[in-house]
Amino acid sequence: NAGVTQTPKFRVLKTGQSMTLLCAQDMNHEYMYWYRQDPGMGLRLIHYSVGEGTTAKGEVPDGYNVSRLKKQNFLLGLESAAPSQTSVYFCASNPRQGRYEQYFGPGTRLTVT
Amino acid sequence: AQRVTQPEKLLSVFKGAPVELKCNYSYSGSPELFWYVQYSRQRLQLLLRHISRESIKGFTADLNKGETSFHLKKPFAQEEDSAMYYCALSGDSFIDAGNKLTFGGGTRVLVKP
Repeated sequence: NAGVTQTPKFRVLKTGQSMTLLCAQDMNHEYMYWYRQDPGMGLRLIHYSVGEGTTAKGEVPDGYNVSRLKKQNFLLGLESAAPSQTSVYFCASNPRQGRYEQYFGPGTRLTVT
Repeated sequence: AQRVTQPEKLLSVFKGAPVELKCNYSYSGSPELFWYVQYSRQRLQLLLRHISRESIKGFTADLNKGETSFHLKKPFAQEEDSAMYYCALSGDSFIDAGNKLTFGGGTRVLVKP
């Protein structure tokens, strides 16, 4: 089992460019999440999904869109990148409703210049 | 709204000394508290959760509902404990769908030889 994987590992964008981050999990988990990690602020939830075809907003959704067309994949899109979106992005998953451990991906370091 | 506060950004201790990481939370219902750890260049992983009442790698944490705290303790720190530690809260799963986690800002622990 690879667990949770993220693509790409690093990316540098110019202001206004767009990109998509891919998260994949092979554990058949129902729930998936996207977080951003910034110094001193911990991890903040951007969007999450409780199943294929469903998404919901988290704490800091502005400037991001997501899609969950397949159960194993959760995509995070930036339509028009801004320097404030420079961050490390983590994807996570957990099995289903209930207080289960979240399993994290290795992260994507994004720099917007 | 739920909130998690980790007042120390950095804790520096010598090997063999005790270490205590503070975590305070605010939540009106019945939360579950977690400690996640991120070693250098690795993904976040669960260290322990209050409901399991386990000691992992010599760490313990007790949920104090009166003081709304979940401090992490280890009596004798080791150099391999150097890492970033995050306290996280999950709300009542019957009320708060999605198993969302709210993270504190993190505490970096440096264990000196």
